Formats: sequence, C-alpha cells, structure tokens
Amino acid sequence: ETGVTQTPRHLVMGMTNKKSLKCEQHLGHNAMYWYKQSAKKPLELMFVYNFKEQTENNSVPSRFSPECPNSSHLFLHLHTLQPEDSALYLCASSQEDRGRYAEAFFGQGTRLTVV
Amino acid sequence: DQQVKQNSPSLSVQEGRISILNCDYTNSMFDYFLWYKKYPAEGPTFLISISSIKDKNEDGRFTVFLNKSAKHLSLHIVPSQPGDSAVYFCATVETGANNLFFGTGTRLTVIP
Repeated sequence: ETGVTQTPRHLVMGMTNKKSLKCEQHLGHNAMYWYKQSAKKPLELMFVYNFKEQTENNSVPSRFSPECPNSSHLFLHLHTLQPEDSALYLCASSQEDRGRYAEAFFGQGTRLTVV
Repeated sequence: DQQVKQNSPSLSVQEGRISILNCDYTNSMFDYFLWYKKYPAEGPTFLISISSIKDKNEDGRFTVFLNKSAKHLSLHIVPSQPGDSAVYFCATVETGANNLFFGTGTRLTVIP
C-alpha cells in the first residue's frame, strides 16, 4: 500500500462505546495529524505529532485520546462521545524540515456517526 | 472566527471555460498558501501552492494568484474539464507552524 491509509472507513458507535481510529502512512514522513471535518465547517486540526511527540492539541476534549507508537502509525481513541462528535476524521502526514512547511498528504477519512 | 473564508459554496462552469475559485484570509502572518482538491469518499489531495514571496504560480491548467495586500488568493483552472468536478479547499499556514487553516470548500461542477 502507498500513501496514508485509515481504518475503518465508516464507524457507528453509541455514546457509551470505546473505539479507535487507525492511521498508517507509508511515505516515510515524520509528522502526522488528526483533522476533523464537520458539515459546513472548515477542517479543524485536532492533534499534531512530530517525531512521535505530540506538539499540538488544539483544545480537543479528553474524550478524544491520540496515540502515536511510531512515526508510521497514529491512533485516535474514542470514548463516551457525543452526537455532535459525528464527523469525518482525517489523518494526514507530512515531512517537516526545520520549520519549512511541507504539503500534507491525507487519508480517505473515517466517517464517524455517534448515536 | 474563521481565518480562511471561501464565500462561494458552489460553482458551475461549462467544460472548456475558465473556473475561478476564490479564497480570503485574515491573518497577515500566513505566508504559504495551498489548494486541495477532494473527491467524494476520498481525503483531500494537494493541488498547488504558492509562497507569499510570489504572486503567481502555474502548473499546467492550474494557476494560483496571490494578492497579499487584499489577503486574497484565487485558483484558476483553464480549460475546465469534467474530471475537475470536486470540492476545492483553500488552506494557509504560517511557516514554522504545523497548523493548516482550511476554508469550508467550494464545490466545482464542470458541465460537459
């Protein structure tokens, strides 16, 4: 496989469930990201990992918990979500080089529905 | 408050004509600008970018124009093709930061 792969593609979960989203990048990049896209809203950055270290957490509620075990894998653990958390969750990766911005490559996203 | 705005949610253009997608931003610290294209059920894919030191960047049928004084950029596609039908997102970033700010997207429909 090439690029950025996200699983599952679709997820329906109850508010009391615990689930995880998985992202894997095959590009050798050193930075990975979680974005959220809600209907009719801009893409929102949730978390950034550089060299497996979390460098940004954009005021995301604690019911979203990221994990980056290595530079190729990124997880988003979900628990006790709310219906308003239903959205498309996108993973992305990029090769960061001394602060010079590099284009992000996105996965296909996980469409999450909280019931 | 949105830092990147795409005020046209949709645009329809005849095949062969020019498509012009617009984007406005508010933060003068942004110095790198990108356009992403998104097909249904796929993640956004990078299309073209421009640095703030330039006012134009061209790649085949795609040209991005930057007007820093107006904090405005646009994407021109010419000639438009039916395969260009997608949602186009404008994004900006301040060099040294990881946070890409995206607009809400413009859905382009190219009519054969």
